[in-house]
Amino acid sequence: NAGVTQTPKFQVLKTGQSMTLQCAQDMNHNSMYWYRQDPGMGLRLIYYSASEGTTDKGEVPNGYNVSRLNKREFSLRLESAAPSQTSVYFCARASGPGYEQYFGPGTRLTVT
Amino acid sequence: KQEVTQIPAALSVPEGENLVLNCSFTDSAIYNLQWFRQDPGKGLTSLLLIQSSQREQTSGRLNASLDKSSGRSTLYIAASQPGDSATYLCAVDGSARQLTFGSGTQLTVLP
Repeated sequence: NAGVTQTPKFQVLKTGQSMTLQCAQDMNHNSMYWYRQDPGMGLRLIYYSASEGTTDKGEVPNGYNVSRLNKREFSLRLESAAPSQTSVYFCARASGPGYEQYFGPGTRLTVT
Repeated sequence: KQEVTQIPAALSVPEGENLVLNCSFTDSAIYNLQWFRQDPGKGLTSLLLIQSSQREQTSGRLNASLDKSSGRSTLYIAASQPGDSATYLCAVDGSARQLTFGSGTQLTVLP
């Protein structure tokens, strides 16, 4: 898992429900990222944290919030899930911006 | 806005063949380019990262080249094996310091 663990692996939500996707890395890397992968759209960056204590929006941040809890953990929260958020969510780590990124196994989320 | 294109979308070759996967990007102001492999239902595995100042990188049977001025990268796979079957993605780290991904090339290596 490239030193990145994600929980849960699968989740089904009803529209309007909330949930938090968890990501943890064991490599003491500074930067962490959240992506979503949709058929025909490729991977798109939702939010990232270049270093502990900072977070920034990516290409598709609407409907999501993030927390960089500490250097090791970076969580993604859906406050009110919508069917458009059905996707596979990947977390990644890197030594810093511009360095090689390593991905976790993903969380498959379905919103009905 | 950076756009990354990978052609072809799918490729099927017999085992043992050498092959080339293509990646093109619209904005040549990049910091680096990364190639990944993704197996069905799995996460991405990093294969190679080429810095903007480099022309190529090699790892085992894989060789990636970068021509920043023309906005192109290729991933060369030598002596392909059935275990190489996967989707190959390229991603560009551009001026926004964010990775922009292509849609991938789905490779099938036939035994």
